[in-house]
Amino acid sequence: QSALTQPASVSGSPGQSITISCTGTSSDIGGYNHVCWFQQHPGKAPKLMIYDVSQRPSGVSTRLSASKSGNTASLTISGLQAEDEADYYCTSFTSGSTWVFGGGTKLTVL
Amino acid sequence: QVQLVESGGDVVQPGTSLRLSCAASGFTFRSYGMHWVRQAPGKGLEWVAVISFDGRNQYFADSVKGRFTISRDNSKNTLYLQINGLRAEDTAVYYCAKAHYYDSRGYFEYWGQGTLLTVSS
Repeated sequence: QSALTQPASVSGSPGQSITISCTGTSSDIGGYNHVCWFQQHPGKAPKLMIYDVSQRPSGVSTRLSASKSGNTASLTISGLQAEDEADYYCTSFTSGSTWVFGGGTKLTVL
Repeated sequence: QVQLVESGGDVVQPGTSLRLSCAASGFTFRSYGMHWVRQAPGKGLEWVAVISFDGRNQYFADSVKGRFTISRDNSKNTLYLQINGLRAEDTAVYYCAKAHYYDSRGYFEYWGQGTLLTVSS
């Protein structure tokens, strides 16, 4: 159950696009489409932003998109806004019927 | 609307035991799997455990296997996490989360606000 690998931080200016990667193995990301992304603001509970690799829950901005290729999932946020500044976590279902999270990525809007 | 309210967090000594609770409302609790996820101060999210809708199937992170027990009372719409042999590294905010499915494959659809457990002598 090793954690998925995310960059510790990414940054971008308002209006720009950023992409956060999340790398796992064939036993998690590569083997299942149960991959999700969460946004967490300081002191708040995580919020589901993407499920099943690329699906957005109702109410989540269309500026967010996500995909998967092999053992790596990616989250892209376009048209960056100040409110996007937060921590982002990926997670995947695994072959052991467990779940594993990434270490988290701090997004800074410059 | 879905509401999850965790309770039971406290300041406790190493080696002791504690039970966390999660009261659920706004959905048919008995039909969905439930997760526990924790977050140590200043650290990332760590998945802890999941229980199926009927309580028959449970899975745990390797880091807590053998010390943590997850259970549910569908008559009370409540999820539990029993933690034995508490260690300093168990210090974290513990979140419960509703799965979108009846078993462990269900992702974390809704989250509570968390309860803080501090293990310190």
